Amino acid sequence: NAGVTQTPKFQVLKTGQSMTLQCAQDMNHEYMSWYRQDPGMGLRLIHYSVGAGITDQGEVPNGYNVSRSTTEDFPLRLLSAAPSQTSVYFCASYRGQGGYTFGSGTRLTVV
Amino acid sequence: SQQGEEDPQALSIQEGENATMNCSYKTSINNLQWYRQNSGRGLVHLILIRSNEREKHSGRLRVTLDTSKKSSSLLITASRAADTASYFCATDRMNRDDKIIFGKGTRLHILP
Repeated sequence: NAGVTQTPKFQVLKTGQSMTLQCAQDMNHEYMSWYRQDPGMGLRLIHYSVGAGITDQGEVPNGYNVSRSTTEDFPLRLLSAAPSQTSVYFCASYRGQGGYTFGSGTRLTVV
Repeated sequence: SQQGEEDPQALSIQEGENATMNCSYKTSINNLQWYRQNSGRGLVHLILIRSNEREKHSGRLRVTLDTSKKSSSLLITASRAADTASYFCATDRMNRDDKIIFGKGTRLHILP
């Protein structure tokens, strides 16, 4: 039982490049979310999903896209990377009425 | 916008002492959760308290919830060096359990 798996762990992008952060969970959780964590800002919600085929925006969705074609996977796409998107990204999942399970994070630097 | 706000932002105590962190929130909730984050790691769920509960224990952790004041506290008793971490509260919204919003966290440092 791997829990929530995020790849890659580290990534450096040039401004304007695009990439996809992968997130997979094997717990059959309905809900999945993406957060970014910046120093002094805590965690901010980017996008979330309540089930396959359903996604919604969080607090800071601009510059990011998501899709949820399966229960297990919830990839986060950066469309055109900007230095302001330098951050640590966390994916989390939960079944509902319980605690979230977090991945170990992706540290992204945009130069 | 932040739903939960932790207080204090940072706390240093001697090993063996008790540590208390507080969380205030703005809107009615279904439940409130506390998480721990060690440096460079993901968040780990510690405890969940429902809106109809007033106190909950888990090992050395004690959480209280006062819905009239929209506040919660996390008490760690007999602190250890391994408790050094950031602690976050997270809240959902009443009748909506699809997402939770985190506060900015309290950085706890246990001094040897």
